[in-house]
Amino acid sequence: KNQVEQSPQSLIILEGKNCTLQCNYTVSPFSNLRWYKQDTGRGPVSLTIMTFSENTKSNGRYTATLDADTKQSSLHITASQLSDSASYICVVSAAAGGSQGNLIFGKGTKLSVKP
Amino acid sequence: EAGVAQSPRYKIIEKRQSVAFWCNPISGHATLYWYQQILGQGPKLLIQFQNNGVVDDSQLPKDRFSAERLKGVDSTLKIQPAKLEDSAVYLCASSAGTFPSYNEQFFGPGTRLTVL
Repeated sequence: KNQVEQSPQSLIILEGKNCTLQCNYTVSPFSNLRWYKQDTGRGPVSLTIMTFSENTKSNGRYTATLDADTKQSSLHITASQLSDSASYICVVSAAAGGSQGNLIFGKGTKLSVKP
Repeated sequence: EAGVAQSPRYKIIEKRQSVAFWCNPISGHATLYWYQQILGQGPKLLIQFQNNGVVDDSQLPKDRFSAERLKGVDSTLKIQPAKLEDSAVYLCASSAGTFPSYNEQFFGPGTRLTVL
């Protein structure tokens, strides 16, 4: 069964600190993995998208890694800011080729950054 | 570039009532998705349209939910009659359907439905 599991479920950190969110998946065939940020009351916004051949991708203070062998991904946030408080959702696309793909969503990690 | 638009943003109804949500995708995007996101969970795909045809509606509760995409542009999602467990955020997303970002999805702000 295709699944995406994220940890921790929630996380509280102090402003300026770094943190790492984890994503483990059992999805086949794998097409790509993306991390979304979802602010409260908003729709998810894409942070990074990685294909099988990519093992790291950065977007400002966000750096995502992908280990396709162990089927693990992480999202590292550097020098956190209050505006980073949000849910971070890991999403894996289950199809390859030209189809639209079947996206499997994790439940998200809720990050709270405190001053 | 304008994003995905949804309305209303919030809706409160009583159980057994009907409700409809509207979505206007990004101009030119061929594929449109409706998701249901229950509090504390990730989004769950309800239905996917390619232009005005249905690609996947396997998780749509068809006894009460219906959706259409008129002329392959705007879409409406209807619930009739609503149940308490339908309380959730309903997200609309669209994607261009072209390589290489063929399934990069852009989400709207969502409609928060509360069923009393």
